[in-house]
Amino acid sequence: DVVMTQSPLSLPVTLGQPASISCRSSQSLVYSDGNTYLIWFQQRPGQSPRRLIYNVSKRHSGVPDRFSGSGSGTDFTLKISRVEAEDVGVYYCMQGAHWPLTFGGGTKVEIK
Amino acid sequence: EVQLVESGGDLIQPGGSLRLSCAASGFDFNNFEMNWARQAPGKGLEWLSYISGGSNVIQYADSVKGRFTISRDNAKNSLYLQMNSLRSEDTALYYCVAGGWHYFDYWGRGTLVTVSS
Repeated sequence: DVVMTQSPLSLPVTLGQPASISCRSSQSLVYSDGNTYLIWFQQRPGQSPRRLIYNVSKRHSGVPDRFSGSGSGTDFTLKISRVEAEDVGVYYCMQGAHWPLTFGGGTKVEIK
Repeated sequence: EVQLVESGGDLIQPGGSLRLSCAASGFDFNNFEMNWARQAPGKGLEWLSYISGGSNVIQYADSVKGRFTISRDNAKNSLYLQMNSLRSEDTALYYCVAGGWHYFDYWGRGTLVTVSS
């Protein structure tokens, strides 16, 4: 199985400051069609997950442009350019390139 | 607007069975791949099962293979998860997820399954 490793586990941030979350996979997430299937989800407290980013860097409809995804192969990053109060929650990466589908352990973003 | 409403969660004894349902609306269900995922209390996310639009491709996580069965009824815009031989470690919030296995587009609010004697 592909192991997804996120860091840090917890990320205290100051409002208005940038934040960055790392996600590494134990195998390349480049699929046979040439696309890289890495997804980022946000789970706010008490809510279900919602997709933020797919195919490494494509924003889901309605997601603010302060969220951006980057990376390739096995090394990926989610960045928030300026953290807002509504960004508090747990962020998960997930690989959609190999069966079984696997998630990272999550990164909890909180306000300092 | 995409809506996914799960139901069927309950308190069930170990070894028991339960059938979860997911009612979908707001998109072309017939042509949408679907998944089930779960989240144990205070824990992370776990993918469980996938089904293609025509039910011809089905995949399971090892943790549920042989015990859980995914199915869909396109005429009713509904997704199902039959869960047998339930264990305490199956206690979780179960989510219906619309979208292909590359994409995982939309999540429902979940239905709670508690396995305990």
